[in-house]
Amino acid sequence: EVQLLESGGGLVQPGGSLRLSCAASGFTFNSYAMSWVRRAPGKGLEWVSSISTTGGKTYFADSVKGRFTISRDNPKNTLYLQMKNLRAEDTAVYYCAKGGGMDFDYWGQGTLVTVSS
Amino acid sequence: EMVMTQSPATLSVSPGESATLSCRASQSISSNLAWYQQKVGQPPRLLMYGASTRATGIPDRFSGSGSGTEFTLTINSLQSEDFADYYCQQYDIWPLTFGGGTRVEV
Repeated sequence: EVQLLESGGGLVQPGGSLRLSCAASGFTFNSYAMSWVRRAPGKGLEWVSSISTTGGKTYFADSVKGRFTISRDNPKNTLYLQMKNLRAEDTAVYYCAKGGGMDFDYWGQGTLVTVSS
Repeated sequence: EMVMTQSPATLSVSPGESATLSCRASQSISSNLAWYQQKVGQPPRLLMYGASTRATGIPDRFSGSGSGTEFTLTINSLQSEDFADYYCQQYDIWPLTFGGGTRVEV
């Protein structure tokens, strides 16, 4: 059974940093691109970032480019999202999703990031 | 950026009726489109990929059609568990983009 478990969310002040993690199990992690997608309160889904199987290629939404970094540790079956210079508009539930460049066939339960002073 | 436009924003239907949701791409995306369902407090669930292929475990009352710029998700004989938010997503070109969503309500 595919499982994706996010962690690392919380309350952070504007301008602060946070690192999200996603522990994956139930599939061959290093064979799949992975992604982060978020949903802000009262808004729809927004793709944030994707990473290739080896980590050699990364993609970012314009809204986070230059502030967020995506990475993966294949031996640990873990995906990361490093977020810096956070803004109020980054407040959202962040989902880890299996896939990238195509559809997202499995999703984690999400972790809430709140940016507020 | 590929803009995905969903309509209507809200669709009011009764259980047992059918619902037709639309998704339009600003440029042709061939059949590189997925549909997701999201209920309150839950993560999204993949319904369709390739515009018309049902994902694993999705009942056949859900069907998808279209190619190019116009796409449709049809839900026949709506069940209580189908009342949710629905999103289309294109994966033809980076950045990946979602539509604004359609809320299907009673």
